[in-house]
Amino acid sequence: KAGVTQTPRYLIKTRGQQVTLSCSPISGHRSVSWYQQTPGQGLQFLFEYFSETQRNKGNFPGRFSGRQFSNSRSEMNVSTLELGDSALYLCASSEHPRVGNTEAFFGQGTRLTVV
Amino acid sequence: DAKTTQPTSMDCAEGRAANLPCNHSTISGNEYVYWYRQIHSQGPQYIIHGLKNNETNEMASLIITEDRKSSTLILPHATLRDTAVYYCIVLGAGSYQLTFGKGTKLSVIP
Repeated sequence: KAGVTQTPRYLIKTRGQQVTLSCSPISGHRSVSWYQQTPGQGLQFLFEYFSETQRNKGNFPGRFSGRQFSNSRSEMNVSTLELGDSALYLCASSEHPRVGNTEAFFGQGTRLTVV
Repeated sequence: DAKTTQPTSMDCAEGRAANLPCNHSTISGNEYVYWYRQIHSQGPQYIIHGLKNNETNEMASLIITEDRKSSTLILPHATLRDTAVYYCIVLGAGSYQLTFGKGTKLSVIP
């Protein structure tokens, strides 16, 4: 079956703009998580969705938001972009409601550059 | 979730076994040990996980000490394609998020 698909792969935005990233999980997977990876902070958890509900959120400002649709596809949005938002944004999907019981499958990520 | 400690980097000769250690001395009884790796510029890849028993799959073996305070990931015959950052993560059964530390940068040397 197809893996986790993230679009677009690369994106360049200007400070102050907003951006929407998309993630299509593996078919049948209902949990979708988002992570930000930067050279300075490493991989950091943003939020997790299951059945269109956000169940957990990491320590990020309110400019970072997300949602999940009924088909489990997810989007994340970053408003009022800052230079520090430049990062690789990764989406992960898992089959079971609780990641602690099974593995998460990651997409290739979206490389966002803010100029 | 319990914190983990891993060496910053390790080298391994191609074809030899790579043994990557991880300390998780504050692990509790219902927390799993997970290993992921990230090859440069790609998304992390799941390798293996375990609770208390040793585990083996087609990629690797996971050895967990009896007191569960440490574990070792073993890649039996390392290849150049195994060069990556390896992350050891402790995760409770009710947790929804993976907390990645700095990991161990494994370099497989020809």
